[in-house]
Amino acid sequence: QQPVQSPQAVILREGEDAVINCSSSKALYSVHWYRQKHGEAPVFLMILLKGGEQKGHEKISASFNEKKQQSSLYLTASQLSYSGTYFCGTVKLNDMRFGAGTRLTVKP
Amino acid sequence: ETGVTQSPTHLIKTRGQQVTLRCSSQSGHNTVSWYQQALGQGPQFIFQYYREEENGRGNFPPRFSGLQFPNYSSELNVNALELDDSALYLCASSLARGSVNTGELFFGEGSRLTVL
Repeated sequence: QQPVQSPQAVILREGEDAVINCSSSKALYSVHWYRQKHGEAPVFLMILLKGGEQKGHEKISASFNEKKQQSSLYLTASQLSYSGTYFCGTVKLNDMRFGAGTRLTVKP
Repeated sequence: ETGVTQSPTHLIKTRGQQVTLRCSSQSGHNTVSWYQQALGQGPQFIFQYYREEENGRGNFPPRFSGLQFPNYSSELNVNALELDDSALYLCASSLARGSVNTGELFFGEGSRLTVL
């Protein structure tokens, strides 16, 4: 029931773009994205709901393909502060399961 | 800050002991979820409480149990501790509307448990 994320790790230079993918074998109600910095709790980035509704931060964009049960997180013009581990969380009924995470490192 | 507080922040126990972790949810939230996060891994879902009843459970044995109180705070109890229980335990609160929880999770800073 755990979603699968790819890639496992990404290294970028400041200003570069990245895409993180999340897929599930189960029909989903929603997909969430969180970022966790080392030693800190995960922080909410975005929710994508079945039917197309989204809510999240203005500088983050993502897509949710309901037919394929896949979501992608788009990080554009990356900044040093974007470094951290990104987790997708999938909701089928009423609880959330997280993927193993994608470690993003942004270098100057 | 998310408004979700957990205690204790760190604790050390020995194998076979019991532990209780506490979580105070964000004001207005009616749902609490507990996750176990081993080093370098994603959070693993333990269980969720909605309005004082468990309404979702992950693949954890019965020695992991919980409670949610009328003020929506929560406890996680783990009996007969094993070495593999060493991890960061995260509590997250959210607002569910009806039986479907589409609200974002607000995480506490976690309780780091070490079992020797």
